[in-house]
Amino acid sequence: EPEVTQTPSHQVTQMGQEVILRCVPISNHLYFYWYRQILGQKVEFLVSFYNNEISEKSEIFDDQFSVERPDGSNFTLKIRSTKLEDSAMYFCASSEARGFAGANTGELFFGEGSRLTVL
Amino acid sequence: GESVGLHLPTLSVQEGDNSIINCAYSNSASDYFIWYKQESGKGPQFIIDIRSNMDKRQGQRVTVLLNKTVKHLSLQIAATQPGDSAVYFCADLFMNTGFQKLVFGTGTRLLVSP
Repeated sequence: EPEVTQTPSHQVTQMGQEVILRCVPISNHLYFYWYRQILGQKVEFLVSFYNNEISEKSEIFDDQFSVERPDGSNFTLKIRSTKLEDSAMYFCASSEARGFAGANTGELFFGEGSRLTVL
Repeated sequence: GESVGLHLPTLSVQEGDNSIINCAYSNSASDYFIWYKQESGKGPQFIIDIRSNMDKRQGQRVTVLLNKTVKHLSLQIAATQPGDSAVYFCADLFMNTGFQKLVFGTGTRLLVSP
């Protein structure tokens, strides 16, 4: 069964350092997302990406965050200067369709997450 | 505003019992809801969805009920098994400029004891 894969599974970094989290979405999917989950809290939307540009972002996704699809398979989330409060599990997701297009709900498939710990 | 929340943080049941997990939402314009299961250390996994033009949808051992009058939905799991132990999130799908984003509730932990 196709799946979304993420690397690394866990990264520990010092405050102020740059971090890149990598994702390989499902190959025929066109829409890509990053969500995060602070320990013990709910999953929060960060950003959606389509056709090589950001389609929507949340207030969490400030200038320290960026996303990129550097090639045909990877989708990355970069945090330029990490803060303590960036410590969380970051989930990548992808969908085949835009969603809510008639009967097609554009189901999101999530990866297993990358745990980021900022010290 | 965008708010999806859950009534109970933890639900403990015996194996074989039926489980009911509840969720309230605030946006009366919400059109589409999804239940996700999250096992420890893993990403959310789609369980079942329901659109606002329905009040009930059934899957394998799971049923979602939607009451738009009181803005409430529930997930019923029949004959709960130890493998059902996880955190369950309801999520509201928002469509803005044609792109979807999920707004998740805070989650309910289901504990199934043998």
